[in-house]
Amino acid sequence: DGGITQSPKYLFRKEGQNVTLSCEQNLNHDAMYWYRQDPGQGLRLIYYSQIVNDFQKGDIAEGYSVSREKKESFPLTVTSAQKNPTAFYLCASSQRDVGQTQYFGPGTRLLVL
Amino acid sequence: AQSVTQLDSHVSVSEGTPVLLRCNYSSSYSPSLFWYVQHPNKGLQLLLKYTSAATLVKGINGFEAEFKKSETSFHLTKPSAHMSDAAEYFCVVSKNYGGSQGNLIFGKGTKLSVKP
Repeated sequence: DGGITQSPKYLFRKEGQNVTLSCEQNLNHDAMYWYRQDPGQGLRLIYYSQIVNDFQKGDIAEGYSVSREKKESFPLTVTSAQKNPTAFYLCASSQRDVGQTQYFGPGTRLLVL
Repeated sequence: AQSVTQLDSHVSVSEGTPVLLRCNYSSSYSPSLFWYVQHPNKGLQLLLKYTSAATLVKGINGFEAEFKKSETSFHLTKPSAHMSDAAEYFCVVSKNYGGSQGNLIFGKGTKLSVKP
């Protein structure tokens, strides 16, 4: 069963804590993406990676970090520097070429305690 | 620069009546355009995609969209709404330049409500 998985479905963060969101794909896609979704704002790009061991900042990278050590995995860490982390986080993957469709995971909702 | 504007933040229709969700785009290049649907607390699912092969694009669940270059529009339609169509819909354009090929620009979304 091919697709993208994200875990956990819900995540709670305490003040000053770093938390890591998992994203795994078995679609053999080169490119992976992290988005943040807030009500009424659509999706905003946090980080993206077009190949293993390489990634670029998106539009709202401050307070976040990523790694891409394996083709199928692209974890996102929400650091304590992110002052407003409460949001729905979506991971996606695609082939690298122009105009390729992005396929999305089910999302992780991050809440602050 | 590329951009996308969804003209309505909320659309309400009765079951069995037509659906029209409006989208305008701006692009210096021949764009790739998408419509995605999102049900509450779920990921996004691709409804359809335009890549210049045909201006009328048919998607899943009876949806279709027409690319009109002269109007820079890519409106989503369905002849007859079903209760299960209630969701949020996103119009999306793909960046086609520089080092960010494949990155997507999302509209702010249109929430579709379907009344019995």
